[in-house]
Amino acid sequence: ETGVTQSPTHLIKTRGQQVTLRCSSQSGHNTVSWYQQALGQGPQFIFQYYREEENGRGNFPPRFSGLQFPNYSSELNVNALELDDSALYLCASSFGGTSGMYEQYFGPGTRLTVT
Amino acid sequence: KQEVTQIPAALSVPEGENLVLNCSFTDSAIYNLQWFRQDPGKGLTSLLLIQSSQREQTSGRLNASLDKSSGRSTLYIAASQPGDSATYLCAPHNYGQNFVFGPGTRLSVLP
Repeated sequence: ETGVTQSPTHLIKTRGQQVTLRCSSQSGHNTVSWYQQALGQGPQFIFQYYREEENGRGNFPPRFSGLQFPNYSSELNVNALELDDSALYLCASSFGGTSGMYEQYFGPGTRLTVT
Repeated sequence: KQEVTQIPAALSVPEGENLVLNCSFTDSAIYNLQWFRQDPGKGLTSLLLIQSSQREQTSGRLNASLDKSSGRSTLYIAASQPGDSATYLCAPHNYGQNFVFGPGTRLSVLP
């Protein structure tokens, strides 16, 4: 069974640029959630994709967008990068959207630095 | 809106001690609660998932208890080891919503 993978591991971008982060879900899972974790804080929910549809969104502006593909892998896109976007971006794989009782399994994260 | 607090924020103990980490949440209508461990700069590792119908869940030296009505969960770590040093996060899950994370307890176990 393959775990959750994320790419790239690290990324440095300039303010105003755009970035795409990728996540491959665990085998058998149909739900991917994205989180932003600033240094010293708990992860903050960005949005969730369930069966290729957005299934809930946290308090993040529209320049944060995403996709989920038929194989349930997912992308997080951030446009017009700001310095405050510098954080660890985590994706979590699970089953059943928000209605399930299943565990979330996290990937290793992508460290984004905006200069 | 679910809000989660964790006490203490940081803890430093000698090896071998038994530990108690506390998690409190404001909305007790949860479906389950998950405890995670995070090493510096890394992703989250799931430790225990405790369903709302359960009062306890155990895995090795770890034991999580849940008192849903009072909005509390406790993670017990027995016979702590230096390898247990990490940040511990709790995340309650309300039905139809997403996991909300606490700020974490940063644990340091000294040899």
